[in-house]
Amino acid sequence: GQQLNQSPQSMFIQEGEDVSMNCTSSSIFNTWLWYKQDPGEGPVLLIALYKAGELTSNGRLTAQFGITRKDSFLNISASIPSDVGIYFCAGHLVGNQFYFGTGTSLTVIP
Amino acid sequence: EAQVTQNPRYLITVTGKKLTVTCSQNMNHEYMSWYRQDPGLGLRQIYYSMNVEVTDKGDVPEGYKVSRKEKRNFPLILESPSPNQTSLYFCASRSLERGYTFGSGTRLTVV
Repeated sequence: GQQLNQSPQSMFIQEGEDVSMNCTSSSIFNTWLWYKQDPGEGPVLLIALYKAGELTSNGRLTAQFGITRKDSFLNISASIPSDVGIYFCAGHLVGNQFYFGTGTSLTVIP
Repeated sequence: EAQVTQNPRYLITVTGKKLTVTCSQNMNHEYMSWYRQDPGLGLRQIYYSMNVEVTDKGDVPEGYKVSRKEKRNFPLILESPSPNQTSLYFCASRSLERGYTFGSGTRLTVV
């Protein structure tokens, strides 16, 4: 199955720093979703985006649906230790097809 | 609370001994799916089900079986587990609007 290109693969940052990650695809998507997976747990939905250009926030998290509909971005401001985990993007193509990114592993150093 | 419940959370078994991982959802979702997660490989789909009695192979179905006799339940069956099936498994149900809701995972070790 198709995987989305997600980058970076991993990040090590100091507490308080801002974080940016993105997902790209060669296909046009109808929906972009961002998930966070805490160590030892299942991924949990953070933000859902439904329209090109849409910018949505959830606390310190902000995600954008790219204008071309082929990419999406997630930003975390003022990171804290509990932000540690793996962040996945997922895109919905037409019909029933969803695709996942390969994940960005985030480590926050206190 | 909307959730997907899978059991057990941890399982150690021996090669060849049949096992079943249960999965149940309370959101009345038609679509359910099983994934395995391995380091560096992300989430890979094993099987999915579009509705009751409708199942289909995902990307890595070899060595696995599923059944969907009721809407809420979607068990994963390993008839003869092998060490290469040692992995972290997730069950999920899905709506088109909100995407996937995942279970908490089952960490399986086959020795």
